[in-house]
Amino acid sequence: AQSVTQPDIHITVSEGASLELRCNYSYGATPYLFWYVQSPGQGLQLLLKYFSGDTLVQGIKGFEAEFKRSQSSFNLRKPSVHWSDAAEYFCAVGLYSGGSNYKLTFGKGTLLTVNP
Amino acid sequence: EAGVTQFPSHSVIEKGQTVTLRCDPISGHDNLYWYRRVMGKEIKFLLHFVKESKQDESGMPNNRFLAERTGGTYSTLKVQPAELEDSGVYFCASSSPTPIQDNEQFFGPGTRLTVL
Repeated sequence: AQSVTQPDIHITVSEGASLELRCNYSYGATPYLFWYVQSPGQGLQLLLKYFSGDTLVQGIKGFEAEFKRSQSSFNLRKPSVHWSDAAEYFCAVGLYSGGSNYKLTFGKGTLLTVNP
Repeated sequence: EAGVTQFPSHSVIEKGQTVTLRCDPISGHDNLYWYRRVMGKEIKFLLHFVKESKQDESGMPNNRFLAERTGGTYSTLKVQPAELEDSGVYFCASSSPTPIQDNEQFFGPGTRLTVL
């Protein structure tokens, strides 16, 4: 079955440390890939997306992600975490399921805690 | 420009009661999606409207759920009668017209539904 896996449910890092959130997907073809972030009381906000081309994509808030076809991965990275980055992060794939039917399939999310 | 809004933000009802959730998409967005996140699980697709038409309702759990989008503007999601397993956060998202995979889905803050 098609799926998106975020193996880390909860990650804690110190402010200023680097961050990598893992995401693996299981699909036959290269899907459209996304990372969303949800801060408390807010909706999901798109950080970045990958459709094709350069496999290293830059997003908002200093985030980047790298698509690795051989590993079916799309890991999210940030070189130096800020306290305001504490939130829940979701990896998602967009896929057509027949005709014009298109939807996002999400991983379970990774909750990021940032220590001062 | 206003984002996607959802009402109410929270709803607590008893098993067997009816609840109606509302979503107002971004003006001009033909595509409207409903997703749900049950506690501890991933965010799952429920259905997709294109204007007032249901494009894909393959994710609707059962016939206790009824979604409408009269006039292609706001949408409602009614649960009748509600069951305990319906508890979760219901997200609405909208996106502008084709090509839909190129367009960001903008998410609302969600409605947290608790069924007692």
